[in-house]
Amino acid sequence: ILNVEQSPQSLHVQEGDSTNFTCSFPSSNFYALHWYRWETAKSPEALFVMTLNGDEKKKGRISATLNTKEGYSYLYIKGSQPEDSATYLCAFHNTNAGKSTFGDGTTLTVKP
Amino acid sequence: GAVVSQHPSWVICKSGTSVKIECRSLDFQATTMFWYRQFPKQSLMLMATSNEGSKATYEQGVEKDKFLINHASLTLSTLTVTSAHPEDSSFYICSADPEGGWSYNEQFFGPGTRLTVL
Repeated sequence: ILNVEQSPQSLHVQEGDSTNFTCSFPSSNFYALHWYRWETAKSPEALFVMTLNGDEKKKGRISATLNTKEGYSYLYIKGSQPEDSATYLCAFHNTNAGKSTFGDGTTLTVKP
Repeated sequence: GAVVSQHPSWVICKSGTSVKIECRSLDFQATTMFWYRQFPKQSLMLMATSNEGSKATYEQGVEKDKFLINHASLTLSTLTVTSAHPEDSSFYICSADPEGGWSYNEQFFGPGTRLTVL
């Protein structure tokens, strides 16, 4: 059983605050790490796919970094907006199986 | 972008009945689809990997006779919860991978099905 952990479990911030959360995963047999955003009553949608150690990806105010040697990825949101409120999931994909293991997610609530 | 639909979005049934959930890729072909179950405040737990034209691969601890999966075409996979009981009440969500699970591409998710068994 692969252990993929996300922290914190939930986060409440004010509009305009910057925030970040963590996904930790096994450091061996790394293949890819995905970040998804899951808004209430919608389908999870992909934010980033991270494949190389040291990867940094950015989409608007959201960015992510990857450290495969120590087994963690950070997701950053700069200047949070209420529409950023969602659960953010990471999914670890190792080289031994064609499937992903999900973390429990971080639920972000941005107050106006 | 790629769209995956799931039907029904919610269902309430009596204990002992069977419920079928459909997962369709609307604008792409998916050789592989995944079925997940989510318990309250927990992660998406992979139940099985569904491959078009072959038997599904079930994760350890998932009863294949209880959760029947059929992937008869490149755009449709179904999950049937047989003889449902209250403990089967959960949120079920599918995803489709156009590349068969071995690519850097993201999975495309359906919106999920809330099953309540009375």
